[in-house]
Amino acid sequence: QVQLQESGPGLVKPSETLSLTCAVSGYSISSGYYWGWIRQPPGKGLEWIGSIHYSGNTYYNPSLKSRVTISVDTSKNQFSLKVNSVTAADTAVYYCARSRSMSHYDALHIWGQGTMVTVSS
Amino acid sequence: DIVMTQSPDSLAVSLGERATINCKSSQSVLYSSNNKNYVAWYQQKPGQPPKLLIYWTSTRESGVPDRFSGSGSGTDFTLTISSLQAEDVAVYYCQQYYSTFPTFGQGTKLEIK
Repeated sequence: QVQLQESGPGLVKPSETLSLTCAVSGYSISSGYYWGWIRQPPGKGLEWIGSIHYSGNTYYNPSLKSRVTISVDTSKNQFSLKVNSVTAADTAVYYCARSRSMSHYDALHIWGQGTMVTVSS
Repeated sequence: DIVMTQSPDSLAVSLGERATINCKSSQSVLYSSNNKNYVAWYQQKPGQPPKLLIYWTSTRESGVPDRFSGSGSGTDFTLTISSLQAEDVAVYYCQQYYSTFPTFGQGTKLEIK
C-alpha cells in the first residue's frame, strides 16, 4: 500500500524559506508516476503548486514558479518542496500527492495527510 | 490558466435525495486525440486530505459507491449523488488536468437539510 507522509517545520518566519519533505512508502519513486505538492490556506480551496518525475521533469504553478523548487531524492525515496521569501499568504496545509497514472496529465490519486505551515514572526 | 467555477458554493439536501454540483471550465478540457475530458472530482471531509472520487469526467475510483456519478463534456461538468447519505457531508472540488498547470474549482460545501 502506497503511503505519503509530509514533514517539516510548522512555523516559518516571513522572508525565510519553507522546506517540506514527502516520504514515500510502499512504492519506489524511481519506478515512475508524478509526485506533487498542493496547498490549502485555512478555510479555503486547493491550490496546485507543482509536480516532479523521478527523471527530474518538473511542472510548476506559474504564479509560484519564481519562488518554488521541487526536487526528488530517489536514494531516500522522498521528494521535497522549497518556497522562498514566504509571507503570511503562504500559510496553509501542504499536501503531497501522487498522480493516478504515469502521466502528469492525470488526477491525483494518493494523498498524504497534510502538514500545517504557519508563516509568522 | 484554466479557471474552474463551481456552482453552487453550498448546497443543503435531504437524506435520500439527489445532490447535483456543477463545474464550468473557462476553456474546453476535451482532448480531441483521445476524446477524453480531463476532469476529476474530489471529496474532502474536515481534517482530511481530498479523496479522489471520479476521473476522466465519469470513471469512478475503485471503492467509490455507485451513487456518485460524473458527467459532462467540453466546458460543463456535473457531479451527482443519487441518494444522499449522512457520510457524504463534505466539500467537493472539481479539477482540470488538461493543462500543464492543473486547477481546482473553489469547492462546494454539501450539507444535510
